[in-house]
Amino acid sequence: GAGVSQSPSNKVTEKGKDVELRCDPISGHTALYWYRQSLGQGLEFLIYFQGNSAPDKSGLPSDRFSAERTGGSVSTLTIQRTQQEDSAVYLCASSFEPGQGKETQYFGPGTRLLVL
Amino acid sequence: DAKTTQPTSMDCAEGRAANLPCNHSTISGNEYVYWYRQIHSQGPQYIIHGLKNNETNEMASLIITEDRKSSTLILPHATLRDTAVYYCIVRVMEYGNKLVFGAGTILRVKS
Repeated sequence: GAGVSQSPSNKVTEKGKDVELRCDPISGHTALYWYRQSLGQGLEFLIYFQGNSAPDKSGLPSDRFSAERTGGSVSTLTIQRTQQEDSAVYLCASSFEPGQGKETQYFGPGTRLLVL
Repeated sequence: DAKTTQPTSMDCAEGRAANLPCNHSTISGNEYVYWYRQIHSQGPQYIIHGLKNNETNEMASLIITEDRKSSTLILPHATLRDTAVYYCIVRVMEYGNKLVFGAGTILRVKS
């Protein structure tokens, strides 16, 4: 079946502009995660959605970052007033609801963001 | 989540088994061992996971020691396409438990 998809695959923007990154999780997956990977760095957790529960935003680096998930499916990560240090690969992952033995997270291909 | 220790890099000859070790001496009883890999410019790919017993799937085998303080991922017949960064992660399966990635092991498969 279809995996996690993300769009755009690449995004170049100017410092100070806002960007929106999209994630389509695997059908039936209720949990959705955003991570980012800066050049040469490990993966860093950003935010987590599970069903209708309040999201876990503990990994968001600043208030310029926000995310929403509409209808329990598609998610959008928004970065306002982008800075050069926001340049990274933004990765989305999804899984079935945790606690039911099917919590394996499957990742999308990522969106490569370059802020000039 | 418990901390893991992996070698920085390893080389393997094509067609031979690749054995990637991971130490997780502080693992607790309800933490699973997960392995992912990341091929250059791609998102992480799930490989395998286990709790206590050894596990095998179409990609790899996972051997967990009896005391669960270490494990080994085995790729039985490595190919050039297996060249990647391999991450060993221990985590509890519970609500909202994000994955914490370390530096991983860079596996280079050579012809």
